[in-house]
Amino acid sequence: EIVLTQSPVTLSVSPGERAALSCRASQSVSSYLAWYQQKPGQAPRLLIYDASNRATGIPARFSGSGSGTDFTLTISSLEPEDFAVYYCQQRRTWPITFGQGTRLEIK
Amino acid sequence: EVQLLESGGALVQPGGPLRLSCAASGFTFGNYAMTWVRQAPGKGLEWVSCIIGSGDTTYYADSVKGRFTISRDNSKNTLYLQMNSLRAEDTAIYYCAKGGTTAYSILDYWGQGTRVAVSS
Repeated sequence: EIVLTQSPVTLSVSPGERAALSCRASQSVSSYLAWYQQKPGQAPRLLIYDASNRATGIPARFSGSGSGTDFTLTISSLEPEDFAVYYCQQRRTWPITFGQGTRLEIK
Repeated sequence: EVQLLESGGALVQPGGPLRLSCAASGFTFGNYAMTWVRQAPGKGLEWVSCIIGSGDTTYYADSVKGRFTISRDNSKNTLYLQMNSLRAEDTAIYYCAKGGTTAYSILDYWGQGTRVAVSS
């Protein structure tokens, strides 16, 4: 099973600033890495798929990069609605696995 | 507009059964894999099970294999999860999610979830 480790666990950033969230895989997942956003009481929402492709309707301030074992989700200028929990997920190998999440909170 | 609506969540005793449903609309249901993902209280996401569009092939997490059965009725645009021999650790919100045309696909739409609590 591929283990995804997200860091940091919690990230405190001010609105308008840039945030970078990391996801590291225990073995290569090629580019089969997605990012999801989850707000309290809501279902997860797909943000980025295949490492760097924005899902439909996702603002351009969200971007993804990386391949192999190291990936980054970058939010270029944080809006108030961006404070949430973010999960990475790999679909390279069965079973599909998620990272433990990074909580992005307002500083 | 893609919509997924889960139902069937309840409080159930350990060892008991429960069936969840997910009604889908806004896309050609039979063309897409569907997945169940769960989230225990205060915890992260755990992939549970997946079924391809035709229903011929299914996949399960080790934690539920032999106890849960995923199925679908493409004539009713509905996904199911039959859960047997429930344990306290199965307590979670269960989400259904739409995949792509293969089992190894991204989850691009999610329902709002249905709560399952296993307790005596």
